[in-house]
Amino acid sequence: QVQVQESGPGLVKPSETLSLTCTVSGGSISSSYWNWIRQSPGKGLEWIGYISFNGNTNYNPSLKSRATISVDTSKNQFSLNLTSVTAADTAVYYCASKPLWFGHVDVWGQGTTVTVSS
Amino acid sequence: EIVLTQSPGTLSLSPGERATLSCRASQSVSSSFLAWYQQRRGQPPRLLMYGTSSRATGIPDRFSGSGSGTEFTLTISRLEPEDFAVYYCQQYGGSLTFGGGTKVEI
Repeated sequence: QVQVQESGPGLVKPSETLSLTCTVSGGSISSSYWNWIRQSPGKGLEWIGYISFNGNTNYNPSLKSRATISVDTSKNQFSLNLTSVTAADTAVYYCASKPLWFGHVDVWGQGTTVTVSS
Repeated sequence: EIVLTQSPGTLSLSPGERATLSCRASQSVSSSFLAWYQQRRGQPPRLLMYGTSSRATGIPDRFSGSGSGTEFTLTISRLEPEDFAVYYCQQYGGSLTFGGGTKVEI
């Protein structure tokens, strides 16, 4: 059973870059699209983007200019960089997997809270 | 970008009652790529339904999904105490989008 776990700083200063890593265990990183999804306090879910094992990416148009997702297959990890953050980027960030030939997200991490504040 | 609108925003019901949640898309969605999630307080979302009407592993049969085109429905036939949560629909058409959620409360 595939599991994913987010890691990274819980506090980021405004205008700086938010960097998170997701570690995949219990399965192959080549079997899915690997997603970042966030949830602002008291709000709904916002898809940030995904990456495949060979590096193909797709991003939410509203975040495309600031988000970069990368993959390290040797470490079974994928990462998110979000530049020029503001308080509006304060959220719980989830990494999650979407099976290659399906449209749903089947495995979610527990989420990591990132606060943007000076 | 396909926008998903969920209604109602909040559904106030009692255990044992039937819940009907709606998800409307701004344009047609492939029924193969419409999913529903449950999120309890403080937890990540959990996949309930995929492909409109297929239950995910371990999901009880009181949950059912239906719909096509731009109108989709999640039905909980008899609410159990653990079903009081927030529910999200989600579509995939190259990109993923989520609805705004329906809170099912006592």
